[in-house]
Amino acid sequence: RKEVEQDPGPFNVPEGATVAFNCTYSNSASQSFFWYRQDCRKEPKLLMSVYSSGNEDGRFTAQLNRASQYISLLIRDSKLSDSATYLCVVNTLGRGNTPLVFGKGTRLSVIA
Amino acid sequence: ETGVTQTPRHLVMGMTNKKSLKCEQHLGHNAMYWYKQSAKKPLELMFVYSLEERVENNSVPSRFSPECPNSSHLFLHLHTLQPEDSALYLCASSQGIRTSGRPPGELFFGEGSRLTVL
Repeated sequence: RKEVEQDPGPFNVPEGATVAFNCTYSNSASQSFFWYRQDCRKEPKLLMSVYSSGNEDGRFTAQLNRASQYISLLIRDSKLSDSATYLCVVNTLGRGNTPLVFGKGTRLSVIA
Repeated sequence: ETGVTQTPRHLVMGMTNKKSLKCEQHLGHNAMYWYKQSAKKPLELMFVYSLEERVENNSVPSRFSPECPNSSHLFLHLHTLQPEDSALYLCASSQGIRTSGRPPGELFFGEGSRLTVL
């Protein structure tokens, strides 16, 4: 089983739609979780951290379910500018000096 | 504007060439990384430097040779590469690494160097 797995995508949604991405991780010792965003031909950038209680940043909501070992990202009222690849990132202390593991990413296309 | 700059942005080289990728971070971070991003694969960590000391070499072939002369600069020297090495090479920096007892903070990436090996 891969350490971090994401929905395969691509997701093609109309403007204004709500879209959800899921991500599962295999290491139960994982401690912190992030969503990064990567635009086409650009570098990844941190979108938001994921906290145990769930957290929201504007139209974006991140949830963590430790029991099931999955993380989700919900985007409400999608904008054209949300089109990008969303990377799930898991941090597992004790995994040496390279605790950050990236998923393959899920591509989102928001269509007018 | 990114605090991590990479040069060159694009590089085409033959299998017998020697070239280098350069990365510079202006964020005062204490750790720097090289990642490889190939199509349809997750980001693959290649090397980690913490306080100029290499702390991770993720089973990377010896045709890739990193160098970290100081905490702000990181190089990736390339020699006799193969066509399958064609990819986007991303440099990143962060504050905090395992030796400090804290996980690495947010990773800040450069825009990448897109390498094509003919």
